[in-house]
Amino acid sequence: DAMVIQNPRYQVTQFGKPVTLSCSQTLNHNVMYWYQQKSSQAPKLLFHYYDKDFNNEADTPDNFQSRRPNTSFCFLDIRSPGLGDAAMYLCATSRGTVGEQFFGPGTRLTVL
Amino acid sequence: KNQVEQSPQSLIILEGKNCTLQCNYTVSPFSNLRWYKQDTGRGPVSLTIMTFSENTKSNGRYTATLDADTKQSSLHITASQLSDSASYICVVSARQAGTALIFGKGTTLSVSS
Repeated sequence: DAMVIQNPRYQVTQFGKPVTLSCSQTLNHNVMYWYQQKSSQAPKLLFHYYDKDFNNEADTPDNFQSRRPNTSFCFLDIRSPGLGDAAMYLCATSRGTVGEQFFGPGTRLTVL
Repeated sequence: KNQVEQSPQSLIILEGKNCTLQCNYTVSPFSNLRWYKQDTGRGPVSLTIMTFSENTKSNGRYTATLDADTKQSSLHITASQLSDSASYICVVSARQAGTALIFGKGTTLSVSS
């Protein structure tokens, strides 16, 4: 089945220790998104890639970076995680920016 | 300001009962409205998507309605099951360049036996 896969599902890191979350897709969608979702809140868009073009949301902290080496993969790098970065990180994909977004299962990040 | 408001914030019902969740939005210009189901610790899964011209859409026991004039949508769940326990998120897309998805905060539904 075509799908969006996120690894790992659970990630524990230490305060200030860089961490990378992974997302891959078999849908061949040209747009990939990263969202941050804190408990009982709506997902918050961090940035998205339209093909190879990176689009950062204005209020996304510099601590968050992303890489998309090819159509199928996209990575979220958190350079120096703080306690406030503990959250569920959701990857989504779509065909064009107006197409329906398909979400991965998420990665739950814990910062100790 | 583009906003999506959902009610109630949380809901508890008995297994087998029906329930209706509400979504009001002020997004303009409107493109489409989606309902997602999000199980605890999982990503959102799309239930329905409706454009301006669609009034109702069903997906099994889930039926969504849309009134574009009053900018209201509802999600009706029939004969609830324990597996329906989840957060239901209303998401409205604005007809403009960019990603412009406006998320509601969700309604947390608990179905008990």
